[in-house]
Amino acid sequence: KAGVTQTPRYLIKTRGQQVTLSCSPISGHRSVSWYQQTPGQGLQFLFEYFSETQRNKGNFPGRFSGRQFSNSRSEMNVSTLELGDSALYLCASSLVSGAEETQYFGPGTRLLVL
Amino acid sequence: GESVGLHLPTLSVQEGDNSIINCAYSNSASDYFIWYKQESGKGPQFIIDIRSNMDKRQGQRVTVLLNKTVKHLSLQIAATQPGDSAVYFCASQGGYQKVTFGTGTKLQVIP
Repeated sequence: KAGVTQTPRYLIKTRGQQVTLSCSPISGHRSVSWYQQTPGQGLQFLFEYFSETQRNKGNFPGRFSGRQFSNSRSEMNVSTLELGDSALYLCASSLVSGAEETQYFGPGTRLLVL
Repeated sequence: GESVGLHLPTLSVQEGDNSIINCAYSNSASDYFIWYKQESGKGPQFIIDIRSNMDKRQGQRVTVLLNKTVKHLSLQIAATQPGDSAVYFCASQGGYQKVTFGTGTKLQVIP
């Protein structure tokens, strides 16, 4: 069974631009979560989608948004990019949303904002 | 607020020795815990999990211990190998709340 895939793997943008990242969960998984990882920081939760609905949201500004499609694939968008948005963006999928559901991570998209 | 933290940011061990990575959590409602391993350039990889009704769980060369009294868990790696070099994260979840990750411990294996 294929794992979580993320595209693109690497991205370079300039301040003020917007970016869209894509995540395809493991087949059959319906929950997709997004995380931001920066050097020296742990994984910072962005949001979780389940059945095309946002279930949970972290403490990020409204510039960060996401959505999920009927096939469970998910995208996240960051508008008006700032230098501090440079990070590894990780997507994780699980069978369902809720307690005791192991999340499986993709390789991440490394975003560099210049 | 809820936090999951690690006692040591970096741990260096000799190849063949046992490694112990510690983690503290603050949310007493947490009832599910996971350890992840993240190698350079890759996403976190599931290692082992444990539920709050257990205090010990063993996998292949790894053991997780959970002490709910002091809200502490640890990951023990037996006979540490160079391939174990990575950053290790603990994560906790309570009820239907989002998973909370620690900041990570870097394990360096000295050949």
